[in-house]
Parts: sequence; C-alpha cells; structure tokens
Amino acid sequence: DAGVIQSPRHEVTEMGQEVTLRCKPISGHNSLFWYRQTMMRGLELLIYFNNNVPIDDSGMPEDRFSAKMPNASFSTLKIQPSEPRDSAVYFCASSPTSWGDEQFFGPGTRLTVL
Amino acid sequence: GESVGLHLPTLSVQEGDNSIINCAYSNSASDYFIWYKQESGKGPQFIIDIRSNMDKRQGQRVTVLLNKTVKHLSLQIAATQPGDSAVYFCACEESGGGADGLTFGKGTHLIIQP
Repeated sequence: DAGVIQSPRHEVTEMGQEVTLRCKPISGHNSLFWYRQTMMRGLELLIYFNNNVPIDDSGMPEDRFSAKMPNASFSTLKIQPSEPRDSAVYFCASSPTSWGDEQFFGPGTRLTVL
Repeated sequence: GESVGLHLPTLSVQEGDNSIINCAYSNSASDYFIWYKQESGKGPQFIIDIRSNMDKRQGQRVTVLLNKTVKHLSLQIAATQPGDSAVYFCACEESGGGADGLTFGKGTHLIIQP
C-alpha cells in the first residue's frame, strides 16, 4: 500500500485566494483526520471523519475552513479566503477504526500564504 | 483545552546510549497514549502506544511508561542509533472525547551524536 497520499506537497498562494488540499486515505481505513502543525501551536486536530461522515469539526479554526469527504478514498480541506496566519503544514491521517487506534499520517502539505 | 507538555525541547545523546523523553499531561480522563516520531519533512510516525490499564509496554528498542498518579508518560529508546534522530511527541486521547479529547505535545528534538 502506498500509505496516505496528500497533494500538493507544497502550496504557495497569495492572501485572499482559495486553497484546496487533498488526501487519499489508506484503503480500508474507516477514519480520516485533518491536522495542522505550526511551530507555535504544534499539531492540532482540525476535523475527523468516520465512514465519510464528519464527526467532530470543533478544531476547525473558523468558517473560512471547510472539509469534505465525498467517498471513502478522497477528502479535501479548503480554505477560502486564505490568510497569512494559515501558513502551516497540513497533515491528513487515516486509521482502521476511530479513536484509540493507530493513525497513519501522510507526508503533509506545506502551505505558505503570502 | 488540556495541555500536554514536554520537559526538554532538545535532547542530545551519544550513539549507543539510552534516551528518555518525558511528557506530562493534564487531562485525567485521558485513557490512550501514543508516542510519535517525526523526521524532518515527513509526517508523524507511530512508535508505540499504551492504554490506561497498563503502566508499561515494550516494543523493539522502545519502552513506554505511564504513571497515571502524576499524569506522566515517558519514552525510553535503548541503544540509540543515528536514525533515531527526530522530533518525538506524545499524544493523549480521551475515549469519546472527540477532537477536544485529543491533545498533542509540542515535541522534543532528539539528537544522536556519533
């Protein structure tokens, strides 16, 4: 298995632009997680899905952030409009079940908003 | 939110020596604990986990110790190798806690000196 796949690996955009990050979880995994990592705040959980359904989005910073999982093999995290403070590395992870199970992380997308 | 912190941001050890990385957590309801390793430019990688009904768990060259009384978690790496150089961070989960029940530490940078 190729593991969790994320694209793009790097994204540089200007403030106000829409940004879409993509994730393909490991086949057969039922849960998908979106994280944001910064030097100041470390790793933060933004939202997680179980069986394609958003379970908890309390970590999403504000309405500019939205996430979808239209099927078991694909998820997107969208920021519109983007701001410089959104600059971070965004990770997607998947796990076979839900809480209390090992999560497999993707390589991350490094987002820079100018 | 709950805090999870690490005592030392950087730990330098000689190759072949043992290393211990510590983590303190504050949520007494946390019942699942994970240690992750993150190499530069990569996503976090699961190392070992432990549930609250245990106080010790061993893997290959790694041991996790859990002291629920003082809410302390440690990762011991035996006979360190150059490939162990990375940032290590702990994560604590509370069953049924959702996104609010999952907290990550900021990380400790382990440096293995030849």
